[in-house]
Amino acid sequence: DTGVSQNPRHKITKRGQNVTFRCDPISEHNRLYWYRQTLGQGPEFLTYFQNEAQLEKSRLLSDRFSAERPKGSFSTLEIQRTEQGDSAMYLCASSLAGYSGNTIYFGEGSWLTVV
Amino acid sequence: DQQVKQNSPSLSVQEGRISILNCDYTNSMFDYFLWYKKYPAEGPTFLISISSIKDKNEDGRFTVFLNKSAKHLSLHIVPSQPGDSAVYFCVGNNDMRFGAGTRLTVKP
Repeated sequence: DTGVSQNPRHKITKRGQNVTFRCDPISEHNRLYWYRQTLGQGPEFLTYFQNEAQLEKSRLLSDRFSAERPKGSFSTLEIQRTEQGDSAMYLCASSLAGYSGNTIYFGEGSWLTVV
Repeated sequence: DQQVKQNSPSLSVQEGRISILNCDYTNSMFDYFLWYKKYPAEGPTFLISISSIKDKNEDGRFTVFLNKSAKHLSLHIVPSQPGDSAVYFCVGNNDMRFGAGTRLTVKP
């Protein structure tokens, strides 16, 4: 399968712990996005990369959140000192910029529960 | 600031009838508009798009209409099926920010 892959799919952690999510985009997609979704809301944009460069970060992305895409392929999203309000589904998506209107394709998401 | 908005949080239609989902935008620089469909506990899936140089794009039961003078687009689903029940989002390609979407319920 060559879709967007995210892992782990589910993570339960204690408040104050650090967590890291990984995203493997569709091969050859040069853009990679991270979103967060809570119940009843649409996906909230967090950040995106073009190749290895992080081009935009939402103001929602506090200092406890960091994302990397060191080789322009997979990406990691780390949340430090987790809080209960961080509980959400974290979605990764990828696209090939300039092709078909930059259609982005989503992974199945990583669920985070902070207890 | 949200450049693409869906003003109807929900829509309910009878199976077999037409569903019309609406979207308004403020940025005339978008090249494409995209519609996504989302089931609970899943990531959004791409449904259909329309180029800003067109006024209609059709794919099976799904048709997107774009009215550039009104800065309005709509997604028509005909005939609606219970499996179409989901949350639908429209986004502009150069922004890729999602609003709250419209929850469609198709009743059998």
